Amino acid sequence: DQQVKQNSPSLSVQEGRISILNCDYTNSMFDYFLWYKKYPAEGPTFLISISSIKDKNEDGRFTVFLNKSAKHLSLHIVPSQPGDSAVYFCAASAYGGNQFYFGTGTSLTVIP
Amino acid sequence: DTGVSQDPRHKITKRGQNVTFRCDPISEHNRLYWYRQTLGQGPEFLTYFQNEAQLEKSRLLSDRFSAERPKGSFSTLEIQRTEQGDSAMYLCASSLWQGIEETQYFGPGTRLLVL
Repeated sequence: DQQVKQNSPSLSVQEGRISILNCDYTNSMFDYFLWYKKYPAEGPTFLISISSIKDKNEDGRFTVFLNKSAKHLSLHIVPSQPGDSAVYFCAASAYGGNQFYFGTGTSLTVIP
Repeated sequence: DTGVSQDPRHKITKRGQNVTFRCDPISEHNRLYWYRQTLGQGPEFLTYFQNEAQLEKSRLLSDRFSAERPKGSFSTLEIQRTEQGDSAMYLCASSLWQGIEETQYFGPGTRLLVL
């Protein structure tokens, strides 16, 4: 049972425009959410996180939005750069928990 | 480089052989995780340690899999009698657990191919 879902396997965006990556979850116990970025042949790299007590967290070009009622989070990248081209995974965990539950990833291509 | 390291990066083996992977976490991190990732999927949790204690194992972790973290530092993951279905990327992650949210930092992974 996939508790974290990324329904868009791929996304293409022009350089300089906004990239929006979406993630949905089913487990209402999840209260901490993260985005990871993965290049081929490398492990996932932590990008940004958000706690359920917030609805927005911003770090430079990256902003994560959390809509708890809809069990939905999104990652906004603006402006998008070619170096942002990678696979993005969202992950979720429950307070006091340990394992992260990952989505299946969205492959972002930023076109120069 | 003080990140998570894994060795080897690639391993090709024949079905039925045993393989062992090593993970060195970030030095001050007290938690260490093993995940498996197959093509088109996100990482799937296998097991984790807090210091030297193995606190949880996924049902994905069959009896052929064993993990250790003997001194609370590096960890090994052994797969006995490998099967073709074991072919995957094995990822290690570490974190500093202080009772609230934790961020797991991943190593580069070990890609296993079972022929």
